[in-house]
Order: sequence, then C-alpha cells, then structure tokens
Amino acid sequence: EAGVAQSPRYKIIEKRQSVAFWCNPISGHATLYWYQQILGQGPKLLIQFQNNGVVDDSQLPKDRFSAERLKGVDSTLKIQPAKLEDSAVYLCASSLGASGTYEQYFGPGTRLTVT
Amino acid sequence: DQQVKQNSPSLSVQEGRISILNCDYTNSMFDYFLWYKKYPAEGPTFLISISSIKDKNEDGRFTVFLNKSAKHLSLHIVPSQPGDSAVYFCAATSLRTAGNMLTFGGGTRLMVKP
Repeated sequence: EAGVAQSPRYKIIEKRQSVAFWCNPISGHATLYWYQQILGQGPKLLIQFQNNGVVDDSQLPKDRFSAERLKGVDSTLKIQPAKLEDSAVYLCASSLGASGTYEQYFGPGTRLTVT
Repeated sequence: DQQVKQNSPSLSVQEGRISILNCDYTNSMFDYFLWYKKYPAEGPTFLISISSIKDKNEDGRFTVFLNKSAKHLSLHIVPSQPGDSAVYFCAATSLRTAGNMLTFGGGTRLMVKP
C-alpha cells in the first residue's frame, strides 16, 4: 500500500513570497490533515478535511494560509505572503475516517525555510 | 496552553535496558491516546495506542500505561534497541468530539547506545 505522498520535500523562499504544498493521501482515506511542526515542537493541526469538506480550520491563519481538497482526494496548502515565523515542516496525514479508526498516517513532510 | 506535555526533551538508555517515556495531559475530555515515533526527514509513524477504558496496552516490546487520575501516561520499551533511537510523540484526542483531532506533545528524543 502506497503511503501519503507530499511534494516538494524542501522549499526555500523569501518573506512575502508565496508557496504551495501538495499532498496525496492513502487511497480510500476520507480524512486528510495538514500539520505545522516548528523545530523542537510537536505537530500542530492547521486544518482537517472529511472528503472535500472542512471539519476544523480553527488554527489556520486564514489571513495568509489557505487549503483546498478538490474531489476529496489530493490537497494543496498555500501560504501567501510568507513570514519568517512560517519556517517549519508541513506534514500531511490521512486516516480512514471511519468510526473506530483513529490512527493517522503521515507523509514525509515539506521543510519550508523563509529567509 | 499546552494540553499535552512531554517534560523530558531527551533520554539516553543503554541497549537492552528499559526506556520509559512520559507524557502528561490536562484536558479531561481526552479519552484516547497514541504514541508516534519519528525518524529524521520522515513523518511520524504510529506506534501504539490506548483507550481510557484501559490502563495498559501491550504490543511486543512496547507497552503503554495510562493513569487517568494522574492524567499521565508512559511508554515502556523493553528491551531497548539502537533502532529505537528516534523522537517519540505522545498525542491525545477526544472520541466524543467530531473529527478526532490529535493534540501532540513536544516530543522526547530517545537515544539507545549500543
């Protein structure tokens, strides 16, 4: 079974530029998550999708971050404009989303450096 | 306000000995707990979980203990192996709320010396 795919793996941009990350979840997984992991901290949930609808985006800085999940499969996370404090690893995860299944499967992440 | 805390940023253990990683939580709504393991340049991988209706769950060398009254859980690895060297994250969720969103602790870096 293929795992969660993410691209790019690394990205370096200057502040005020824009950037986009892509995620392809495990086939058949209804729920998709985007996390931000700052160095030395645990992952922090940014947004959760169930199929192509948003379940929770309360911690997404909506003035600069946006995310979409077209057709309930792939997802993109965009930052525009980027700030220095956005430097982090952005992790995508997916889960079956069915009752009784709580395990999330993570992709390798995209390491973003904002200079 | 950190609802899930891992107070030890790092832990060093000799190969063959027991590793004990600790996690504390403050939110009484949390009723399901998970441990993830993370190697450098990889995403976290699920290790073991426990429901609040249990106080222990075991899977091979890994055992998780839950003390609900103390709002504390621990992961025991016996015997520890060099391949266990990684960052371990504790995570918690409430099955009573929609979405089962995970709240993670800050992680503990485990180093197992040969």
